Amino acid sequence: DIQMTQSPSSLSASVGDRVTITCRASQAISTYVNWYQQQPGESPKLLIYAASNLQSGVPSRFSGSGSGTLFTLTINSLQPEDFATYFCQHSSGRLTFGPGSKVDV
Amino acid sequence: QVTLKESGPALAKPSETLTLTCTVSGFSLSNRRVAVAWIRQPPGKALEFLSLIFSNDGTVYGTPLKSRFIISKDTSKSQVFLTMTDVVPADTATYFCARIPVITIFDVPKLGNNGLDVWGLGTTVTVSS
Repeated sequence: DIQMTQSPSSLSASVGDRVTITCRASQAISTYVNWYQQQPGESPKLLIYAASNLQSGVPSRFSGSGSGTLFTLTINSLQPEDFATYFCQHSSGRLTFGPGSKVDV
Repeated sequence: QVTLKESGPALAKPSETLTLTCTVSGFSLSNRRVAVAWIRQPPGKALEFLSLIFSNDGTVYGTPLKSRFIISKDTSKSQVFLTMTDVVPADTATYFCARIPVITIFDVPKLGNNGLDVWGLGTTVTVSS
């Protein structure tokens, strides 16, 4: 089975920062990656699908890139509401999630 | 408006069987272009995909389940079920259901390259003696 890993597991940032989170697949998966944001106590929210496609309603400061085994989620100009945990997910097969990356102050 | 709502027992004892229900609205479970998935999250831990079901009752299961979990649906009631057998304390988690758009190949639904685009609020299950 394909495994998904993320780095960093947590990071400290400030409002206005540019934040990059990396997701690595254990084997090549083309662009079959999604990214989600989860606030404490809430359901996850889809941000990016198919590696680089912005989900409807998601602010344009979020972007995704990558293919094969390495993928990145970038948040330009971090906003207060962006402090959350971010998960990548393999969007085919068994829909495996990564372990998460927490962005805090 | 598309919504999903999870329900089920909040507490179970080890070895019991319990069933969670996901009631959907705003779309039909007979729609070939969507599927419904179950995902869980133990306290403070990562998301774990459990299972999904297509309109034609085809299913996909996550690796760790080892056949203890069974997904099913009642299209007429707009409900998707997750039956969990022989539960253990490690099954303690918040359980979410979510919708995922899918593609069709020769009219058969298949996973495409889409995400879980609408989620329920989740239901918490605690397994303890």
